[in-house]
Amino acid sequence: EVQLVESGGGLVKPGGSLRLSCAASGFTFSSYSMNWVRQAPGKGLEWVSSISSSSSYIYYADSVKGRFTISRDNAKNSLYLQMNSLRAEDTAVYYCARDHPYADRAFDIWGQGTMVTVSS
Amino acid sequence: DIQLTQSPSFLSASVGDRVTITCRASQGISSYLAWYQQKPGKAPKLLIYAASTLQSGVPSRFSGSGSGTEFTLTISSLQPEDFATYYCQQLNSYPRAFGPGTKVDIK
Repeated sequence: EVQLVESGGGLVKPGGSLRLSCAASGFTFSSYSMNWVRQAPGKGLEWVSSISSSSSYIYYADSVKGRFTISRDNAKNSLYLQMNSLRAEDTAVYYCARDHPYADRAFDIWGQGTMVTVSS
Repeated sequence: DIQLTQSPSFLSASVGDRVTITCRASQGISSYLAWYQQKPGKAPKLLIYAASTLQSGVPSRFSGSGSGTEFTLTISSLQPEDFATYYCQQLNSYPRAFGPGTKVDIK
């Protein structure tokens, strides 16, 4: 079964750091670009970051640029999001999502999400 | 950056109704548009990609059309399980923005 499972969320104080992980299974992880998308409580979806299959291309939303770092380990079938200098407005459910096999078409597989709460 | 708008933002409909949601892009994005369905507490689910291609396993009552700057998602006969929030997303360029969403509620 094709699956993405996020972990690493939790409660963190403003200015703190957190590292999210996304474990992939059921497909050849190293062949796909991957993405992080977040959703603040009661709000819409916000694209956060994308990374190409070999990590050659990386993109960030302006709202997280310079604070968040996306990475992947193809040997471990894992995607990561290192989040530093966290703010209250980073509070959200964070989803990892796979790029559609036909590149630049959609995000076809999503994880269940992990909640990040930034509060003192 | 490309911005997406959706209309309406809220829609009240009955089972069996034909429903149409519009997504407009601030500049041309060819057919690089996807539609997702999200239910409360759940991850989004891909419905349509490349503006009009139905994702495998998605019921045929869902359809998409459009290119350039104007796109539509149509549900031909609304079913009880279709009450949800629908988002469009552009994948023509980065940032890969989502639209603000359209909530479809029961009349």
